[in-house]
Amino acid sequence: DTEVTQTPKHLVMGMTNKKSLKCEQHMGHRAMYWYKQKAKKPPELMFVYSYEKLSINESVPSRFSPECPNSSLLNLHLHALQPEDSALYLCASSQWPRGYGYTFGSGTRLTVV
Amino acid sequence: DAKTTQPNSMESNEEEPVHLPCNHSTISGTDYIHWYRQLPSQGPEYVIHGLTSNVNNRMASLAIAEDRKSSTLILHRATLRDAAVYYCIPNAGGTSYGKLTFGQGTILTVHP
Repeated sequence: DTEVTQTPKHLVMGMTNKKSLKCEQHMGHRAMYWYKQKAKKPPELMFVYSYEKLSINESVPSRFSPECPNSSLLNLHLHALQPEDSALYLCASSQWPRGYGYTFGSGTRLTVV
Repeated sequence: DAKTTQPNSMESNEEEPVHLPCNHSTISGTDYIHWYRQLPSQGPEYVIHGLTSNVNNRMASLAIAEDRKSSTLILHRATLRDAAVYYCIPNAGGTSYGKLTFGQGTILTVHP
């Protein structure tokens, strides 16, 4: 299995809702990442997990809460989001500590209404 | 992280070679040069990476200048499927090791 699977593919949520994005990989990678991508912009790094521990938080607002329950799973919990948080959320994984050969999922298209 | 400069867009015809340039004049000696591409409606995809020597794989070739201040991604025969945004990313060592920071990239259009 050489894929990163993200669910759901599309999500519409209200500003008072709580939802979660899920990411799964079975390549034995020990680093996992969340990126946010606005339309026609490059992906922006949000969080990095290394060996299931949060190693980088790029000053992301607390309404985004990451979780890494095990080496194969990465979640992003969403609460009280704003319409400007609407974006494509991408998950990626790689073997740690090398910086090449990231595998990205196809993303979750999030719309906040 | 080293800054990169890439053309906003480039065009090519199918079956022709494409040379995608990237300037990274502030690159440090330990930075690898990574290339990723993002096809429409998909996540980025790893293409190739190198440090000093030219590199080849089944997808592309990477030519790195002797002073490492620039590099060129070479697609030997462009296909319609190669239409994508191409990102050149110097990967910093040290505390940033493993952290990929995307710049604006080059939008490649391939004409049939």
